[in-house]
Amino acid sequence: EDQVTQSPEALRLQEGESSSLNCSYTVSGLRGLFWYRQDPGKGPEFLFTLYSAGEEKEKERLKATLTKKESFLHITAPKPEDSATYLCAVQGNLYGGSQGNLIFGKGTKLSVKP
Amino acid sequence: NAGVTQTPKFQVLKTGQSMTLQCAQDMNHNSMYWYRQDPGMGLRLIYYSASEGTTDKGEVPNGYNVSRLNKREFSLRLESAAPSQTSVYFCASTPLLGSPLHFGNGTRLTVT
Repeated sequence: EDQVTQSPEALRLQEGESSSLNCSYTVSGLRGLFWYRQDPGKGPEFLFTLYSAGEEKEKERLKATLTKKESFLHITAPKPEDSATYLCAVQGNLYGGSQGNLIFGKGTKLSVKP
Repeated sequence: NAGVTQTPKFQVLKTGQSMTLQCAQDMNHNSMYWYRQDPGMGLRLIYYSASEGTTDKGEVPNGYNVSRLNKREFSLRLESAAPSQTSVYFCASTPLLGSPLHFGNGTRLTVT
């Protein structure tokens, strides 16, 4: 069964305190792993797609990495405006349980205090 | 460029009432999706439309119906609302399978 587990559920950081969010996954034939940011009362906003183990992508203070079992979202010197819920999703192949549709984790709620 | 637009933003229904959630995208995307998001749960797929003229069930389709009206519009209908359908509903679109989804800002539905 395709599955995504994110940890921790919630993370509180001081401004400037770097940390990482984890996304562990089980999927039939990974076609892509996606990271989204969701602000309260809004829809998820796309951040990154990773396709193969060893791949890395960066955007401002965020860096996403991928292995065969998990992905990390590293946040370097975070600012209060980075506070949001970060969602991870995986896409498996068309013949797996999810039929190629995205399977989302429950998210990590990040709070960055000034 | 509005992206994905959902209406209404908020709705309160009584048990047994029906309603249709509307979704429209102006990005010329082929595929459209309906998800629900509940506290402590990830986004769960209700129905999707891979292309105009096709619809398929997702993970939690019971109690819902959909219509892909044209390439732009994809509606979600609750025929007889139940309290278990209290949720935030998100519509999303993508140009093709495997590309990132673009989400609307959701419809917050409460069924009493």
